[in-house]
Amino acid sequence: GAGVSQSPRYKVAKRGQDVALRCDPISGHVSLFWYQQALGQGPEFLTYFQNEAQLDKSGLPSDRFFAERPEGSVSTLKIQRTQQEDSAVYLCASSPPTSDTDTQYFGPGTRLTVL
Amino acid sequence: AQSVTQPDIHITVSEGASLELRCNYSYGATPYLFWYVQSPGQGLQLLLKYFSGDTLVQGIKGFEAEFKRSQSSFNLRKPSVHWSDAAEYFCAPNQTGANNLFFGTGTRLTVIP
Repeated sequence: GAGVSQSPRYKVAKRGQDVALRCDPISGHVSLFWYQQALGQGPEFLTYFQNEAQLDKSGLPSDRFFAERPEGSVSTLKIQRTQQEDSAVYLCASSPPTSDTDTQYFGPGTRLTVL
Repeated sequence: AQSVTQPDIHITVSEGASLELRCNYSYGATPYLFWYVQSPGQGLQLLLKYFSGDTLVQGIKGFEAEFKRSQSSFNLRKPSVHWSDAAEYFCAPNQTGANNLFFGTGTRLTVIP
């Protein structure tokens, strides 16, 4: 079956613009994660959903970042009033029913460049 | 505070040579341990994982890793590297009971013919 997909793959935004990044998880996967990967760094956790419930948003860097998963499937990460420091690759991952031992399956990421 | 260290930022090996990538962690309790690989333009792919039991774990693509509690290490090894192994490798502990992964800074592997 299909893996995790993300769109767009590349996004260029002017500073101050709002952006929305989409994640389509593997069908049937309950858990969904967003990570931010700055250039030359490892991914850093942003937020976690179990179905439609956002159970952990401790990694969101500011209140400009907002994520939702209204129907427990597709998720959108929204960044308002983008800043240059928001430039990064945003990775989405999904995993089967909840277990901290489950493998997370990653999408290819969306590379965001803020000018 | 929890932390993970990958001391080698960049490693270069010849094709056919053996490989060891280091990973050290600092956690209150032994976490679950993962190794992921990221090829250019690709998503992260799981190589192997350790939860408990046998401390030598086999993964995909001929990789293995050994958990050493006394050294708080989980080093990744491969006996004979292939050119297609060139990529970025991330060690990622998962604190027991937590859901998110905590990634190291990664080791970039270059393979020369």
